[in-house]
Amino acid sequence: AQTVTQSQPEMSVQEAETVTLSCTYDTSENNYYLFWYKQPPSRQMILVIRQEAYKQQNATENRFSVNFQKAAKSFSLKISDSQLGDTAMYFCAFMKGAQKLVFGQGTRLTINP
Amino acid sequence: SAVISQKPSRDICQRGTSLTIQCQVDSQVTMMFWYRQQPGQSLTLIATANQGSEATYESGFVIDKFPISRPNLTFSTLTVSNMSPEDSSIYLCSVEETGADTQYFGPGTRLTVL
Repeated sequence: AQTVTQSQPEMSVQEAETVTLSCTYDTSENNYYLFWYKQPPSRQMILVIRQEAYKQQNATENRFSVNFQKAAKSFSLKISDSQLGDTAMYFCAFMKGAQKLVFGQGTRLTINP
Repeated sequence: SAVISQKPSRDICQRGTSLTIQCQVDSQVTMMFWYRQQPGQSLTLIATANQGSEATYESGFVIDKFPISRPNLTFSTLTVSNMSPEDSSIYLCSVEETGADTQYFGPGTRLTVL
């Protein structure tokens, strides 16, 4: 069974700083997908970024980028120029094919003014 | 991505009663999923809702407690039956469009059981 681990329960940075959230996972699969979702206090789960395991190039979405290390089974999220609206819970998730998402325990990120 | 709505957005229920949560999508989707998020916790899959067949439940979840319907490709319901305070959670539906290999979530239903 796949497992996802987020070792940072909480993080706090100043507005405009760069922050990196860590995620490691365990799987015996070769082809899979990794995701970062954001959950603000409104509780809506919002897709931040997606990585396909067969792609070596790290995914990027505007201020959000990932560092995907397949051999190390590591998938960190970097947020550049952080904004107050980035304050939320961030969940790392694993998925193989059209199957369930397996989530980490989440990191609570606070951006301070 | 598909636009997903859930009803109700929140509810407060009495012990022993049942609540049905609706999930509506603005386009036809193959896969629909129901997740539970207990207070301060991560998300756990309850079941996969299959159109035209029985839902597929994860270990620890049973049909008698969480009956699911999927009458067509745009709609599903989850019922939380014979509720107890331990059922107080956020319930979220998600969808995966065919070939997308990505799940998008509805806004969630916050359930409190007294």
